[in-house]
Amino acid sequence: GESVGLHLPTLSVQEGDNSIINCAYSNSASDYFIWYKQESGKGPQFIIDIRSNMDKRQGQRVTVLLNKTVKHLSLQIAATQPGDSAVYFCAENGAGNQFYFGTGTSLTVIP
Amino acid sequence: GAGVSQSPRYKVAKRGQDVALRCDPISGHVSLFWYQQALGQGPEFLTYFQNEAQLDKSGLPSDRFFAERPEGSVSTLKIQRTQQEDSAVYLCASSLAGTSRETQYFGPGTRLLVL
Repeated sequence: GESVGLHLPTLSVQEGDNSIINCAYSNSASDYFIWYKQESGKGPQFIIDIRSNMDKRQGQRVTVLLNKTVKHLSLQIAATQPGDSAVYFCAENGAGNQFYFGTGTSLTVIP
Repeated sequence: GAGVSQSPRYKVAKRGQDVALRCDPISGHVSLFWYQQALGQGPEFLTYFQNEAQLDKSGLPSDRFFAERPEGSVSTLKIQRTQQEDSAVYLCASSLAGTSRETQYFGPGTRLLVL
C-alpha cells in the first residue's frame, strides 16, 4: 500500500523561529495532500492542502511545498508560537477515497 | 454544532464486551469516514460511506468490526467481542461531497480502552 512517512519524529524550536516539517510519500499517483495538526486529546485539524498541479501554497503563517520529482512535502510555519505545539501529520489521497497518514512529527515550541 | 461530534469521548470495556461508537458528521456532508489511531501513530483508514452506502470497508481489521449509516447522516461503529488490541482512538471524519479530492474534517475521537 501507500507509504507516507516523516523524516523527523520530533522537532523543538524557539518561539518566534520558523519551523519546517518534512514528509515523504511513495505513491507517485497521489494528487492531493493535506497537513493536519493534532493537539493532545483532539482530532486532527486541517491546516492547509495542496494539489499536485501546484508546487507551493501559502496560508496564514503556513506554507506547503510539494516536490513531485522526489515525492517530498514540507510544511513551513513562520514565527512559531507556543500554540503551534502539537503533532503534525501529512496525508495523501491516492487512488481511493481514504487518506494515508504518516506517523507524525511532534513539534515543541520553547518559550 | 458546526463540527463533527463523536460519543462517547471515552469508553472502557471489558474484554469480550460489545461497544458502539457514534459519529454525527457535519450537516449536509455526504461522505463519512472512520479511522483508527493507535497511540503514537497516524490515523489508519477503516471504512467509508457515501450517504448510506458503505463503499469501502477494506480497512476493517476483522469481522468483529461493523459500521452502518442507515439514513445517510449519523454513523455507528460497532465492535463485537472486544479484544485488548482494539484499544485505540476511533476517529470519524466527514467531507462535503462524494469526491476523493477534498478536505476531511475530523471529530474529537472516542478513546477506547479494553481491559
